[in-house]
Amino acid sequence: GQNIDQPTEMTATEGAIVQINCTYQTSGFNGLFWYQQHAGEAPTFLSYNVLDGLEEKGRFSSFLSRSKGYSYLLLKELQMKDSASYLCAPGGDNYGQNFVFGPGTRLSVLP
Amino acid sequence: DSGVTQTPKHLITATGQRVTLRCSPRSGDLSVYWYQQSLDQGLQFLIQYYNGEERAKGNILERFSAQQFPDLHSELNLSSLELGDSALYFCASSTQTGTGDGYTFGSGTRLTVV
Repeated sequence: GQNIDQPTEMTATEGAIVQINCTYQTSGFNGLFWYQQHAGEAPTFLSYNVLDGLEEKGRFSSFLSRSKGYSYLLLKELQMKDSASYLCAPGGDNYGQNFVFGPGTRLSVLP
Repeated sequence: DSGVTQTPKHLITATGQRVTLRCSPRSGDLSVYWYQQSLDQGLQFLIQYYNGEERAKGNILERFSAQQFPDLHSELNLSSLELGDSALYFCASSTQTGTGDGYTFGSGTRLTVV
């Protein structure tokens, strides 16, 4: 099974940097995904980490430590449109694709 | 357009009724996943199909069933509906191997049970 923990809510200011943490316990692991979901909309893929370390993609970076069961998503130069839920999803099936998402962290970006 | 098509977009029905939600995966994707998301709740995994066969099952109620057809589209059947079944139902598809491109979600079906 999988046990995934994320903070429920976070608030940050436009232009700032925010780090959203995710801890997990899972049987079988191939990599970890992060998704963004605006209210009432479908989740969209942000990043995938299969190796330990930092993956940078524009304003968004994601870090993974497999030994610690820990990941974080780093958002830089926050914009109002970044207000959304951010979902952590460890990949666990044989095809390297996840099917269990964390509870999500609702980020509010204030002016 | 993500390439994953879900119909209908909205559905309003009465308690006790039965509905069918449809999903067409992205071209070339063999895996289809169904998720339920109630108001202000996380995504709850229901079931996964891979190339027509059930691959994994989550917390899917016995009143719910699904299948994937030879053309790879999938249907989720919800019966004896209750008020608590009101939710967004998402379908997602993925490639057959773990290439790290993640899931592609459809825009969802918003089900309201009255």
